[in-house]
Amino acid sequence: AAGVIQSPRHLIKEKRETATLKCYPIPRHDTVYWYQQGPGQDPQFLISFYEKMQSDKGSIPDRFSAQQFSDYHSELNMSSLELGDSALYFCASSLRAGVRTGELFFGEGSRLTVL
Amino acid sequence: SQQGEEDPQALSIQEGENATMNCSYKTSINNLQWYRQNSGRGLVHLILIRSNEREKHSGRLRVTLDTSKKSSSLLITASRAADTASYFCATDAPTSYDKVIFGPGTSLSVIP
Repeated sequence: AAGVIQSPRHLIKEKRETATLKCYPIPRHDTVYWYQQGPGQDPQFLISFYEKMQSDKGSIPDRFSAQQFSDYHSELNMSSLELGDSALYFCASSLRAGVRTGELFFGEGSRLTVL
Repeated sequence: SQQGEEDPQALSIQEGENATMNCSYKTSINNLQWYRQNSGRGLVHLILIRSNEREKHSGRLRVTLDTSKKSSSLLITASRAADTASYFCATDAPTSYDKVIFGPGTSLSVIP
């Protein structure tokens, strides 16, 4: 069965650079989520999209932006990178089925290292 | 913040024993879910319990939900070394279906 695909799996950037992470959700899933997980931390909710529209926003820095495209893939853009942005970034997708949240299917994550 | 704490933060047991993890939350919820995560890997969904349910079973997993105490517990029976992982509960609010918030997690070590 198709899973959530994230790319790249590993990314090394310098401070103040820009990074873009991509996520391809499971086909026919209508909701995409982005999470940031620092070492030993719980996943922090960044942002979500339902049917390509932003649906909820969490603790996402102003330097970050995200969008979901017509083919349902999503991108997380991070600018002016800081050392503290080093983390695992997860994308997840789900089939919301109306107003009821479904289970989230996670990708394997993109590990960002900022030097 | 929607989430409270998970208890315990770390748990070490012998293979064959039962493991119980607890999760508390602060606000009203729509659903509560449990996930497991092996180190550095993506999270894997274990079980979802809706706010109008009190108990749910799936294989060796048993989840309870007490909305009056705003808490949930995950019981893993007859643990195996392969159950070693971090376990997180996650909640979403009645008015924010897509804002699924994770708690701090419990690190479970099952010793063979």
